[in-house]
Amino acid sequence: GAVVSQHPSRVICKSGTSVKIECRSLDFQATTMFWYRQFPKQSLMLMATSNEGSKATYEQGVEKDKFLINHASLTLSTLTVTSAHPEDSSFYICSAQTTATYEQYFGPGTRLTVT
Amino acid sequence: EDQVTQSPEALRLQEGESSSLNCSYTVSGLRGLFWYRQDPGKGPEFLFTLYSAGEEKEKERLKATLTKKESFLHITAPKPEDSATYLCAVHGVRGGGGNKLTFGTGTQLKVEL
Repeated sequence: GAVVSQHPSRVICKSGTSVKIECRSLDFQATTMFWYRQFPKQSLMLMATSNEGSKATYEQGVEKDKFLINHASLTLSTLTVTSAHPEDSSFYICSAQTTATYEQYFGPGTRLTVT
Repeated sequence: EDQVTQSPEALRLQEGESSSLNCSYTVSGLRGLFWYRQDPGKGPEFLFTLYSAGEEKEKERLKATLTKKESFLHITAPKPEDSATYLCAVHGVRGGGGNKLTFGTGTQLKVEL
């Protein structure tokens, strides 16, 4: 149980284009999902909290117009990196939180490379 | 503001050499303390949740314990496949708003033959 998927696992895009990453909770409903970014050999950096049916809450320093988050259903949240630049290249990981226990279950991550 | 400090940053063990990882925390009302394992290039894998001081949980060679100030992840007779980064996180009543977790920077464990 508690499986979270992410798609795609790897993506390469050109500078200036947009990329969408999907995060799905496969066997439970998640009113709250989270998006993280991780640089090599560093810990997770929370980017935003995604609540089903409402606007995402972004952490300080994260541009909400650049990183668009949509949480349209209890099992799906998407992160769109708009007008991507090489500095956006990173490992993006989502998590889905269970309502009863607050446990977060993570997806396998998406490696984004912007050329 | 909730804070989590993990030590050591890195740990090298011989196969079969038991040890413990430490997670010290300060939190305004603990709702839960979580342990995760992360392999390179993958998302963290959930291991344990601890809710109150004195609680212990076990899974194979791993045992997590909790006090009011810290948690330990004990690894008994580790094997090379236990090599990974172990992350600790807390969920506090006032954790910056919402239900987000505060993560430590992790302990990178390497178990050698």
